[in-house]
Amino acid sequence: GENVEQHPSTLSVQEGDSAVIKCTYSDSASNYFPWYKQELGKGPQLIIDIRSNVGEKKDQRIAVTLNKTAKHFSLHITETQPEDSAVYFCAALEDSNYQLIWGAGTKLIIKP
Amino acid sequence: DSGVTQTPKHLITATGQRVTLRCSPRSGDLSVYWYQQSLDQGLQFLIQYYNGEERAKGNILERFSAQQFPDLHSELNLSSLELGDSALYFCASSGTSGSYNEQFFGPGTRLTVL
Repeated sequence: GENVEQHPSTLSVQEGDSAVIKCTYSDSASNYFPWYKQELGKGPQLIIDIRSNVGEKKDQRIAVTLNKTAKHFSLHITETQPEDSAVYFCAALEDSNYQLIWGAGTKLIIKP
Repeated sequence: DSGVTQTPKHLITATGQRVTLRCSPRSGDLSVYWYQQSLDQGLQFLIQYYNGEERAKGNILERFSAQQFPDLHSELNLSSLELGDSALYFCASSGTSGSYNEQFFGPGTRLTVL
C-alpha cells in the first residue's frame, strides 16, 4: 500500500521568508495529492491540491510542485505571514480504494 | 465553518468508561471519516462510512466501533477507555459520489481520560 513521508517535522522561518515542506510517496499509481492546514484548535482544511497530470499549481502565495518520476511533492509558501503558522499535512490518494494516506505533519512557525 | 458539526467539544471521563462521540456531516455528504489525533501527533485514520455502510478501516482498536445512521450522522463509540485514548477525535465528511472528494473536517472532540 501507499506510504507518505513528510519533512521536516518542524520548520521555523522569519516572517517574509519562504517556507518549503516536502513529501515523498511510494505508490506510483497515486494521482491526487492534497495539502491541508490545521490551525490551533481547529480541524484541518484543504488549502491546495494537485493531480498527477500537472507539475505545478499556484494559488496566490502558495504553490505545490509534483515530481512523478521521483515520487515527491512539495508545498511552497512565499512571503510568509504570522497567519501561516499552523500544522501542514500532505496526503496521497491510494488509487486502489480512494483512501487518503497522510503524512505526519509539519509544524510551521513564523518568527516576527 | 466547514459545515461538519461534532458534539461534544470536550469530554472528560475515567479509565474503563465508555463514551460516544457524535458527528453530523455537511448537508448532502454521504461519506463520514473518523480520525484520532494525539498530542503533537499526526492524523490517524480510524474508519470510513459511506451511505450507512462501512467503506474502509484504518488503525481502529477493537474497543472502538462506529456506525452511520439513515440520516447520515455518525457515532464513534469508545469503550474500556485507557489513558492513552486521550486525544482529539475528528470527523470529516465528503461528497456524494463513490469516488474521492475533498474531506471537510469538523472542529473535533477533545477526549481526556483520567
